Amino acid sequence: AQTVTQSQPEMSVQEAETVTLSCTYDTSESDYYLFWYKQPPSRQMILVIRQEAYKQQNATENRFSVNFQKAAKSFSLKISDSQLGDAAMYFCAYRSEYMDSNYQLIWGAGTKLIIKP
Amino acid sequence: NAGVMQNPRHLVRRRGQEARLRCSPMKGHSHVYWYRQLPEEGLKFMVYLQKENIIDESGMPKERFSAEFPKEGPSILRIQQVVRGDSAAYFCASSPSGIVGELFFGEGSRLTVL
Repeated sequence: AQTVTQSQPEMSVQEAETVTLSCTYDTSESDYYLFWYKQPPSRQMILVIRQEAYKQQNATENRFSVNFQKAAKSFSLKISDSQLGDAAMYFCAYRSEYMDSNYQLIWGAGTKLIIKP
Repeated sequence: NAGVMQNPRHLVRRRGQEARLRCSPMKGHSHVYWYRQLPEEGLKFMVYLQKENIIDESGMPKERFSAEFPKEGPSILRIQQVVRGDSAAYFCASSPSGIVGELFFGEGSRLTVL
C-alpha cells in the first residue's frame, strides 16, 4: 500500500526567506500524481501545486516550487520570499493514476509552517 | 461564486446523541466527498456521492455513519450514537467531475463529543 510521510511536524521561517518542506512517499507504481495542499487557520484546504510523475520538470506556481526526485521518492515544497499569509498546515498527498478519481488521495500528516515577522 | 459551504462549523454532542453535518457544494458541482481529519493526521476519505447516489463508501465505518446527497438540498453526513472517538474535523469537498486537481474543500465542521 502507498504511504506518504511528512517528517517535519512544524517548521518556522523568517518572513521573506525561503523554506523547504519535505515529503517522501512509498509506492511500487510508476505513474501517479503528487500534490501539496495548504490549510490556513480558516481550515479550507487549498491546492498549492501538482506534479505528474511522468514529467521530469519540476512544477512551479509563482513563489511555490517542488523538487521532485522520483528515484528517491521525494517531493519537497520550496516556498520563496515567505509571506505572513503562507502560515498554514501543508499537506503532501499522493494519487495513483490507476485510481478512478482524485478523491482517493493518500495524505501525509502535515507540516505546520510558522512565519516569523 | 460561493465556495463549498459547511455547517455547523462547530458541533458539540454528548455520547449517544446524533450529529448531522451539512455540505453545500459549489454551484455547478455534482460530486461531493466527505473526509475525516483526526488531530495531527491527514485527511481520511469516507464517502463519495453524486446526486441521489453513493458512488464509493469504502471509507465509511460500517455502523452508525451514513451519508446522503438528495436531489434537492445539501449533502448530509449523519453520525448516530456518537462516541468520543468520533471527535474530529469533518471536511467536505466538491468537484464538477472526477478530474485530477479539481477538488474544492469547505472549511470543515469540528465535532466534539463530550
